[in-house]
Amino acid sequence: GNSVTQMEGPVTLSEEAFLTINCTYTATGYPSLFWYVQYPGEGLQLLLKATKADDKGSNKGFEATYRKETTSFHLEKGSVQVSDSAVYFCALSDLRAIQGAQKLVFGQGTRLTINP
Amino acid sequence: DTGVSQDPRHKITKRGQNVTFRCDPISEHNRLYWYRQTLGQGPEFLTYFQNEAQLEKSRLLSDRFSAERPKGSFSTLEIQRTEQGDSAMYLCASSRTLDRVVMETQYFGPGTRLLVL
Repeated sequence: GNSVTQMEGPVTLSEEAFLTINCTYTATGYPSLFWYVQYPGEGLQLLLKATKADDKGSNKGFEATYRKETTSFHLEKGSVQVSDSAVYFCALSDLRAIQGAQKLVFGQGTRLTINP
Repeated sequence: DTGVSQDPRHKITKRGQNVTFRCDPISEHNRLYWYRQTLGQGPEFLTYFQNEAQLEKSRLLSDRFSAERPKGSFSTLEIQRTEQGDSAMYLCASSRTLDRVVMETQYFGPGTRLLVL
């Protein structure tokens, strides 16, 4: 079945460091890919998404490129801030043609802590 | 524009008791999803509604679990005879389909954290 594997955390960086969180997936067909972020005490928020191969999703300085050849969707940011401290989840959509259910399949999450 | 809301935010119960959670989606969102998130893991799909119809249930949803969305608006998730293994964060998400658009965005609520003693 479909699955997502994320880089294990926790990840601790200093402010202004470069960030990469690895994400690889296994899927049949052509899923869409997402990064969600969960700040302390809050719900999941969509950070960025990409719907087809070679698409680049970007938001708030974060970027990820849908790489079909390597089945990857790594999250990057050039200069992290303390406010980026959160748990990051990579996910894919399991699109079902019948009835259109688009359930998300998530990775286990990567906790990121940015120190000033 | 209010987001997805869930109630209660926290629930502590004793094993064997029944609990019910409520989810209010974003208005006019016709799709509603329930997920479960255990500590240190990503959310896992439980069930899905399109309007009032429950169209898919995960094998994670045992017979003790039931979900409804009676008028195609809010939804409830009930767990009967709770077990300690039910302790988790229960997340609700909603989305809106636009004709035959391929991709939708799911908006998540803050979750209900359940602890079964």
